[in-house]
Amino acid sequence: QVTLRESGPALVKPTQTLTLTCTFSGFSLSTSGMCVSWIRQPPGKALEWLARIDWDDDKYYSTSLKTRLTISKDTSKNQVVLTMTNMDPVDTATYYCARTLVPAAKIENWFDPWGQGTLVTVSS
Amino acid sequence: SYELTQPPSVSVSPGQTARITCSGDALPKQYAYWYQQKPGQAPVLVIYKDSERPSGIPERFSGSSSGTTVTLTISGVQAEDEADYYCQSADSSGTYRWVFGGGTKLTVL
Repeated sequence: QVTLRESGPALVKPTQTLTLTCTFSGFSLSTSGMCVSWIRQPPGKALEWLARIDWDDDKYYSTSLKTRLTISKDTSKNQVVLTMTNMDPVDTATYYCARTLVPAAKIENWFDPWGQGTLVTVSS
Repeated sequence: SYELTQPPSVSVSPGQTARITCSGDALPKQYAYWYQQKPGQAPVLVIYKDSERPSGIPERFSGSSSGTTVTLTISGVQAEDEADYYCQSADSSGTYRWVFGGGTKLTVL
């Protein structure tokens, strides 16, 4: 059974750096075709893909946020970490991590399953 | 930036067929994926690669593709299908980015 769980602060102040950890089980990030992505959802709004890290350590970032995001993995701990710098109230959202399957060409992927998500509020 | 366009809402009576569309210029070349999200829950994959159904997803969920539009069809809609549905695909520019549609609220009358 594949499970993922996000952890991190529920409240951050503007300009601070957010660090979120995704701890997963049931698959290995050293297996070809396995990746982990971060996706967020502001309250009442749509989903937004943020970043992806692959089994071979390739990394991809949202074009609009790439200067603020860093994704990394610790394969031995089954963890993926996302940092987002210079947080702003508009970054208030539920942040999800999801196993990302890339069976062939790296351009094609889907997210399954997802963690339960963690709500991050940015406020002074 | 690349966008996937969905209708904000779709309403159907129980037992009827619901069709939710998603339009994007790159959809003829890129697969589409569909997720169901119920209130307070994480999204769940219901269709992958345009029309494939993951194990555990009821047969009443199906997907199809025609040109720049993909469609999620739910046959014999049940009350439990009331949820938000999001399509997802790859950015058209080939820059290895992924996008979601704006979501469609399915209401079961």
